[in-house]
Amino acid sequence: DAGVTQSPTHLIKTRGQQVTLRCSPKSGHDTVSWYQQALGQGPQFIFQYYEEEERQRGNFPDRFSGHQFPNYSSELNVNALLLGDSALYLCASSPPGLEGGYTFGSGTRLTVV
Amino acid sequence: GESVGLHLPTLSVQEGDNSIINCAYSNSASDYFIWYKQESGKGPQFIIDIRSNMDKRQGQRVTVLLNKTVKHLSLQIAATQPGDSAVYFCAENKSGGTALIFGKGTTLSVSS
Repeated sequence: DAGVTQSPTHLIKTRGQQVTLRCSPKSGHDTVSWYQQALGQGPQFIFQYYEEEERQRGNFPDRFSGHQFPNYSSELNVNALLLGDSALYLCASSPPGLEGGYTFGSGTRLTVV
Repeated sequence: GESVGLHLPTLSVQEGDNSIINCAYSNSASDYFIWYKQESGKGPQFIIDIRSNMDKRQGQRVTVLLNKTVKHLSLQIAATQPGDSAVYFCAENKSGGTALIFGKGTTLSVSS
């Protein structure tokens, strides 16, 4: 049973560019959350998608946007990249009712130069 | 006053020792708590969870203790092994809420 799959694993972008990260949730999970983890820090919640809608959002600017597809997979888009956006971006999926908790992917390492 | 375990950014132990990792959580309304292990280059891996109606829960070699009075969570690892070396995070979630709020991580180093 595949867990949470994220792509790409690594990415280098130039300041001002736009990036799209992808996530496929664990089988049976319908909710996808995105987190940003700066080096040496704990993950910070960006937003969560459920039933193709953004259900909750953390303290991130509008440059960060997302989407969830009917098959529950999700994308994270970041526009006008800043050097400070360099981080590990983690996707976590959870089942209906959150029983069993959240399962994280291995993340996408984004470097902005 | 009562002495509670302080958060340490790093913890070094010998193989076979018991390890205790502490965490202070922030929200009194949180009622679900999770410990994660994160190895280099990987995402957080679920270790054990506990709900606020419990004060102790045991898994395989791990025990989580919850003290709601002082908003403190601890993870005990028995007979620590080199494979336990990683960064450990506690996370809290408010019932009905969706976001996990992560605490400061503790880097556990196990020497053999």
